[in-house]
Amino acid sequence: SQKIEQNSEALNIQEGKTATLTCNYTNYSPAYLQWYRQDPGRGPVFLLLIRENEKEKRKERLKVTFDTTLKQSLFHITASQPADSATYLCAPLEYGNKLVFGAGTILRVKS
Amino acid sequence: GAGVSQSPRYKVAKRGQDVALRCDPISGHVSLFWYQQALGQGPEFLTYFQNEAQLDKSGLPSDRFFAERPEGSVSTLKIQRTQQEDSAVYLCASSLETQGTQYFGPGTRLTVL
Repeated sequence: SQKIEQNSEALNIQEGKTATLTCNYTNYSPAYLQWYRQDPGRGPVFLLLIRENEKEKRKERLKVTFDTTLKQSLFHITASQPADSATYLCAPLEYGNKLVFGAGTILRVKS
Repeated sequence: GAGVSQSPRYKVAKRGQDVALRCDPISGHVSLFWYQQALGQGPEFLTYFQNEAQLDKSGLPSDRFFAERPEGSVSTLKIQRTQQEDSAVYLCASSLETQGTQYFGPGTRLTVL
């Protein structure tokens, strides 16, 4: 069956360091993969989309990689700030527009 | 409006009651989605509309769940005879195009006692 795995443990890092979050998927062949941020009591907010033929995508302090051989995406936040603390969700998409989300990874950035 | 709005934000229902959750998408957005999010989990797809047509309802967990979007804008998710396992946050999202970025509302937290 299809499965999406994200770091189950919360990630605690010091302000200014780079946070790296992992998304592994099995029995999927996604055409692209999206990353979302979710704050408590709010809906997810779209951050980045990376296509299967792209190895890496950047947006300001964010960087996403996509390795279709390893079936893995890494999400990096450089120079992290306490305001980056949130839950980060990955959503690989095979076709259509029905998003299937991982359980998310909680990131806590301490000052 | 500036974003997707949902009402009510919180709903407490007794087991067996019917509830109706409303979603106001971003004006002009063609596609509308409903998701269910249990505590500590990612959102799970329930159903999808393109304008007023419900094109995919494969995620609805039972026939107690019903969604409509009669005029292609506002949508209502109705749950009949609520059960405790229906307790969750119900998220609505809209997108301008069929495969466009989805913009989520704040959700409705449903608690069934």
